[in-house]
Amino acid sequence: SQTIHQWPATLVQPVGSPLSLECTVEGTSNPNLYWYRQAAGRGLQLLFYSVGIGQISSEVPQNLSASRPQDRQFILSSKKLLLSDSGFYLCAWSDRLTQHFGDGTRLSIL
Amino acid sequence: SQKIEQNSEALNIQEGKTATLTCNYTNYSPAYLQWYRQDPGRGPVFLLLIRENEKEKRKERLKVTFDTTLKQSLFHITASQPADSATYLCALPPISNTGNQFYFGTGTSLTVIP
Repeated sequence: SQTIHQWPATLVQPVGSPLSLECTVEGTSNPNLYWYRQAAGRGLQLLFYSVGIGQISSEVPQNLSASRPQDRQFILSSKKLLLSDSGFYLCAWSDRLTQHFGDGTRLSIL
Repeated sequence: SQKIEQNSEALNIQEGKTATLTCNYTNYSPAYLQWYRQDPGRGPVFLLLIRENEKEKRKERLKVTFDTTLKQSLFHITASQPADSATYLCALPPISNTGNQFYFGTGTSLTVIP
């Protein structure tokens, strides 16, 4: 069966520091991959999605970037974090019908 | 872009009653609609998918209806239990076969009171 792993679960970073969140999927090949951010009491904001290795689409202008170096690996990065980057980050993969989410990373910026 | 509205306020119900959550959407006619459950600090989990040619779908104590004329889906939990307390999200698929973006509502927070 398919599984999705996302880490770390929580992260506290100072303003201006870099960021790297990693997501890997097992049990499927060539999935569509997604990064979302969810603010407290808010909906899911799509940040990036990828349909294949090296193919990244960005939905909103932001301080973040994404990369897909391998078929089942999706990385969210930032060179310098801002206070506004705080939130709950979710990775997901899609089988074209539904989305399957990881357990998220709670990012706090100090 | 797609707009999805769910019950704007949290919903509190007594254990054993039926919870009904509403999802309204605009701007296009999706081939299907989905419901997800999200517990605090966790990612959403897929519950049910209903297609445009299906009026109703059931899974154990869950029932979903889909009215494409009203552009509305109703999500029912019968004989509700405190363990059903969570946030429930409705979602629509990409607009076309070539699209990739799913559209999620902001969710309705359900609390089942013992």
